[in-house]
Amino acid sequence: AQKVTQAQTEISVVEKEDVTLDCVYETRDTTYYLFWYKQPPSGELVFLIRRNSFDEQNEISGRYSWNFQKSTSSFNFTITASQVVDSAVYFCALPHDSNYQLIWGAGTKLIIKP
Amino acid sequence: NAGVTQTPKFRVLKTGQSMTLLCAQDMNHEYMYWYRQDPGMGLRLIHYSVGEGTTAKGEVPDGYNVSRLKKQNFLLGLESAAPSQTSVYFCASSQRATALYGYTFGSGTRLTVV
Repeated sequence: AQKVTQAQTEISVVEKEDVTLDCVYETRDTTYYLFWYKQPPSGELVFLIRRNSFDEQNEISGRYSWNFQKSTSSFNFTITASQVVDSAVYFCALPHDSNYQLIWGAGTKLIIKP
Repeated sequence: NAGVTQTPKFRVLKTGQSMTLLCAQDMNHEYMYWYRQDPGMGLRLIHYSVGEGTTAKGEVPDGYNVSRLKKQNFLLGLESAAPSQTSVYFCASSQRATALYGYTFGSGTRLTVV
């Protein structure tokens, strides 16, 4: 069965530090997608990235980067030069067998101190 | 850009009371979902709908009912609220019959049952 594990419950760093959020997943599928969502203190859920298992190249978007390693079933998220506005809960997710729903990790709360 | 609108945003219920949460989307999406979010557990699917007039159970459907009489609306009902239903509820919609393309989420409804 599909499963997503975000072992880091909470991370606290000082502004401008780099920080990596871990995501480990389990799936029986040979091809699949992985997602990251952000939930800022205001509560809404914001889509960050969708990644296809075919493509193991790192993805970079500004200060955000994602490292996908199929061999270790990990899809980690790094924020470079963190800012206070990055403070949020970050979720990793994987489509369910049926693909109608996403299976979500428990989330990692990221606190960026000024 | 309304997207997905949830009402109400906050509600306090007494045990045994009933209520309906409304989700409305203006993107002409076929697929709509209700999730609940509890601390440390990520999001869990309650019910979903693949089109007007259809509904299906998700991971945690007990104690909830849904209806999709109009394509743009997806209602979540609690017939007899219990403290275990204290949670944040998110509605989402998607254009395709799959979570692979991600969701558009509403801003959430914080429900407290006392």
